[in-house]
Amino acid sequence: NAGVTQTPKFRVLKTGQSMTLLCAQDMNHEYMYWYRQDPGMGLRLIHYSVGEGTTAKGEVPDGYNVSRLKKQNFLLGLESAAPSQTSVYFCASSYSGGVPDTQYFGPGTRLTVL
Amino acid sequence: DAKTTQPNSMESNEEEPVHLPCNHSTISGTDYIHWYRQLPSQGPEYVIHGLTSNVNNRMASLAIAEDRKSSTLILHRATLRDAAVYYCILSVIQGAQKLVFGQGTRLTINP
Repeated sequence: NAGVTQTPKFRVLKTGQSMTLLCAQDMNHEYMYWYRQDPGMGLRLIHYSVGEGTTAKGEVPDGYNVSRLKKQNFLLGLESAAPSQTSVYFCASSYSGGVPDTQYFGPGTRLTVL
Repeated sequence: DAKTTQPNSMESNEEEPVHLPCNHSTISGTDYIHWYRQLPSQGPEYVIHGLTSNVNNRMASLAIAEDRKSSTLILHRATLRDAAVYYCILSVIQGAQKLVFGQGTRLTINP
């Protein structure tokens, strides 16, 4: 099993450009999450999904959109990138979202917005 | 959201036990205590979780105070590979089990 994979690993954008980050999991997990981590900080939840075709807002959703068209994939979109969105983005998945539930994280995407 | 308090950093020596403390005085009766760690340039990984009783697994032990207001993650014999940021997290159920990460404890292991 590859677990949770993220594409791309690194990206540099100019202000105003758009991009999509792809997260894929092969563990048949229902729940998927997108986090961001700023330097020296813990992770903050952007959006999450409790199943195929569903999405919900997390702690810091502004400036991002998500889609979960297939159970194994969770896409994070930036429509008009801003320097404040420079961060490392982590995707995670979990089996059920119930308590307790272990989240499995991907290796991250390092995004720089100039 | 219930909060946790951890020391910013700790240091230990290789092959010695490490005790990482966490205070969570506002914990509710249904909150699970989770520990994750983040190795350099990697995503977080699960370490252990517990509710009321002490827990052991192949990675670590979790000791939970009787009043549940604090807990301690125990690495029995630290290796250089255990150098990481350790996060103590209380579960929050709002549509899904959400993990609210604080700043964690940066653990340095000396050879």
